[in-house]
Amino acid sequence: NAGVMQNPRHLVRRRGQEARLRCSPMKGHSHVYWYRQLPEEGLKFMVYLQKENIIDESGMPKERFSAEFPKEGPSILRIQQVVRGDSAAYFCASSPRFRDADTQYFGPGTRLTVL
Amino acid sequence: KNEVEQSPQNLTAQEGEFITINCSYSVGISALHWLQQHPGGGIVSLFMLSSGKKKHGRLIATINIQEKHSSLHITASHPRDSAVYICAVTFGNEKLTFGTGTRLTIIP
Repeated sequence: NAGVMQNPRHLVRRRGQEARLRCSPMKGHSHVYWYRQLPEEGLKFMVYLQKENIIDESGMPKERFSAEFPKEGPSILRIQQVVRGDSAAYFCASSPRFRDADTQYFGPGTRLTVL
Repeated sequence: KNEVEQSPQNLTAQEGEFITINCSYSVGISALHWLQQHPGGGIVSLFMLSSGKKKHGRLIATINIQEKHSSLHITASHPRDSAVYICAVTFGNEKLTFGTGTRLTIIP
């Protein structure tokens, strides 16, 4: 049973380019969470999605950031017109059902570097 | 002020020592998680607690709901336990709120 998959593991972009981060949840999991870890800082919640729905995006920056989890395929975190401050590790986690007590299973993360 | 506080921020110990990492939170929670993050690596979920105590190998996690406090213990510590240990909570919704982490270094 494969774990949570994220790709790419490392992504380098120049300022102004777009970054697309992908997350495939564990088999049977329909809930996906995205978290960001800025350099030398703790993890912060960004967005919580279920299939075809954004449930909570209270942690997403208001501009340039968007997320989706389509009926088919991985969840995508999209960052438009990246800036140096977007450099961070982006982690995806998944859980099987709607209960706040469920364990979340984390992917290996995508390290984004903006030059 | 972070809603989840961890102490200590950094901890260095000799191999074999008993380790305790503390986590306190400010309001009622649904569940508390302990996570492990190795340098440059991913995140592993160690425990999820809503009450009492859990044990897995050399790791023990306890939670006191009344005192809003949890501890993670490592018995017979080993250099491979060196990592950042992160406490996280859910406040009745699904998203995790994280502490700042405790960097543990075990010296052979």
